[in-house]
Amino acid sequence: GDSVTQMEGPVTLSEEACLTINCTYTATGYPSLFWYVQYPGEGLQLLLKATKADDKGSNKGFEATYRKETTSFHLEKGSVQVSDSAVYFCALSVNTGNQFYFGTGTSLTVIP
Amino acid sequence: KAGVTQTPRYLIKTRGQQVTLSCSPISGHRSVSWYQQTPGQGLQFLFEYFSETQRNKGNFPGRFSGRQFSNSRSEMNVSTLELGDSALYLCASSLYSGGQETQYFGPGTRLLVL
Repeated sequence: GDSVTQMEGPVTLSEEACLTINCTYTATGYPSLFWYVQYPGEGLQLLLKATKADDKGSNKGFEATYRKETTSFHLEKGSVQVSDSAVYFCALSVNTGNQFYFGTGTSLTVIP
Repeated sequence: KAGVTQTPRYLIKTRGQQVTLSCSPISGHRSVSWYQQTPGQGLQFLFEYFSETQRNKGNFPGRFSGRQFSNSRSEMNVSTLELGDSALYLCASSLYSGGQETQYFGPGTRLLVL
């Protein structure tokens, strides 16, 4: 079935360090891929998305590229800030419906 | 444009009771999905409604039900509450029903079952 496997956390980084959170997927058909972020006490916010192979989603300095050959959608940021501390979720949605499959989430803490 | 709103934000119930949660989607959005978020199971899909019809359903018991009204507002009901139903319940809306659609989430309703 369709699923997302996400890098286990928690992740702790110093400010200005590089971030990579790995995400791989299994899907029938041609999924759209998403990264959502959840700040403490809040719901999920869309961070970026890609709807077809080789698409790159980007927002707020974060990037992820839809790699069909490796079935991956890794999240990257060159220089993290304390305000990036949150839980990050990778997700996919297949064209046959509006059901999203989420990864388990990766908690990121950035220390000054 | 106002975002997705959920009421109530917090709720405490006892085992055996029932509960109804409400979700108002972004204006113009016709699809509403519900998710349960727990530390152990993560985010799990409950069901999706589009134009008052349930389009998709996750693997939850029949105690979990929902409906959508003609104005796209949605309610979720859980009957005969169990301790394990304690969770954050998230609602998400999208313009249409389809895999390309971005879902926009509300802040959630945190349910505690005692």
